[in-house]
Amino acid sequence: DAGVTQSPTHLIKTRGQHVTLRCSPISGHKSVSWYQQVLGQGPQFIFQYYEKEERGRGNFPDRFSARQFPNYSSELNVNALLLGDSALYLCASSVTGVMTEAFFGQGTRLTVV
Amino acid sequence: AQSVTQLDSQVPVFEEAPVELRCNYSSSVSVYLFWYVQYPNQGLQLLLKYLSGSTLVKGINGFEAEFNKSQTSFHLRKPSVHISDTAEYFCAVINSGYSTLTFGKGTMLLVSP
Repeated sequence: DAGVTQSPTHLIKTRGQHVTLRCSPISGHKSVSWYQQVLGQGPQFIFQYYEKEERGRGNFPDRFSARQFPNYSSELNVNALLLGDSALYLCASSVTGVMTEAFFGQGTRLTVV
Repeated sequence: AQSVTQLDSQVPVFEEAPVELRCNYSSSVSVYLFWYVQYPNQGLQLLLKYLSGSTLVKGINGFEAEFNKSQTSFHLRKPSVHISDTAEYFCAVINSGYSTLTFGKGTMLLVSP
């Protein structure tokens, strides 16, 4: 079985641009969570979606948004990119959103120049 | 709010030596605690978790951790490390709704021959 897949694996964007990151959960998992990991820090919670509804949001500005599709895949969108948005973005999937049983993807490395 | 503190940012150790990575938590309610490992340019992999029951938790790759309520600690140990254990290790706590993980800043384990 495929694990959590994220695309792209790496990308470089310019300040002020917009970016879309994608995540496909494990088959049968209906919840996706997004985390941001800045270099030298632990991951920080951004969003959680379950059954296409937002269930939780971390302390991030409105430039960050996300959605979940009927097939349970998810997109994370970031507008007006800042240098400080450079990070590894991790997606985790779980059956119901309970993180005791979550699995993480390999991440998308975003570099903003 | 719940939080975890990883006391060492970097732990150098020789191959086949024992190692302990320290984690202290702060919580006024029952805690569920986790250790994750992140190899270079990879996502997060769950090493072990404490949910309830025995305070000594065994995980993958020969790692174990002990939950100590009186000392509010959840230190990770391995009796004999390998070069391949070189990675970043994150301690994490889950929120009361079990939907969000809060991570420490990580400890880099450097194993040398």
